[in-house]
Amino acid sequence: GAGVSQSPSNKVTEKGKDVELRCDPISGHTALYWYRQSLGQGLEFLIYFQGNSAPDKSGLPSDRFSAERTGGSVSTLTIQRTQQEDSAVYLCASSSRQGEWGNTIYFGEGSWLTVV
Amino acid sequence: GQNIDQPTEMTATEGAIVQINCTYQTSGFNGLFWYQQHAGEAPTFLSYNVLDGLEEKGRFSSFLSRSKGYSYLLSKELQMKDSASYLCAVRVLEYGNKLVFGAGTILRVKS
Repeated sequence: GAGVSQSPSNKVTEKGKDVELRCDPISGHTALYWYRQSLGQGLEFLIYFQGNSAPDKSGLPSDRFSAERTGGSVSTLTIQRTQQEDSAVYLCASSSRQGEWGNTIYFGEGSWLTVV
Repeated sequence: GQNIDQPTEMTATEGAIVQINCTYQTSGFNGLFWYQQHAGEAPTFLSYNVLDGLEEKGRFSSFLSRSKGYSYLLSKELQMKDSASYLCAVRVLEYGNKLVFGAGTILRVKS
């Protein structure tokens, strides 16, 4: 696609429910990133994919968070048993190739999650 | 660990020039990015430096000194629409190409 596409754009869920957030990167981009941004805060790295593998999962805040990527394209971030502190905007970004200079990373519009 | 510092807030006047500084301490440096983020929106790419020196892109320029772990974003002819958060981010080679962000600098442009 023309840009990074994320869905849903907004999600309100009850505490304790599971949510799935989807990211469709720019066509041909092999690297995919998930970040989280709480209100008024900076971007917090969650996980990075190169192709379908995740060499860096260091940012996942707890075992309630998981992510997968299939076919080297679409990625899903799953949050189980959501808590109120999970409320944030979840941003997905993609870039074209690992380890090369000048690979700009482009962000989607984000999925705004509110846990009530 | 990774550490990126930038001022929390700045104020400047419409039509003026503003410089936003960023210092970093990271491992495996692989480039520095500046992003602009308006409230409630996703970050948008402004500039990228991987070698020392100045990169100019319209009203925005960015400078990098790798030996000093220092960058700045220079914005000229400020407009009201430039009021936003400006994010400094360093791409590190640890586990690939993780982009580590600073907390951002909120720039307020006044008339």
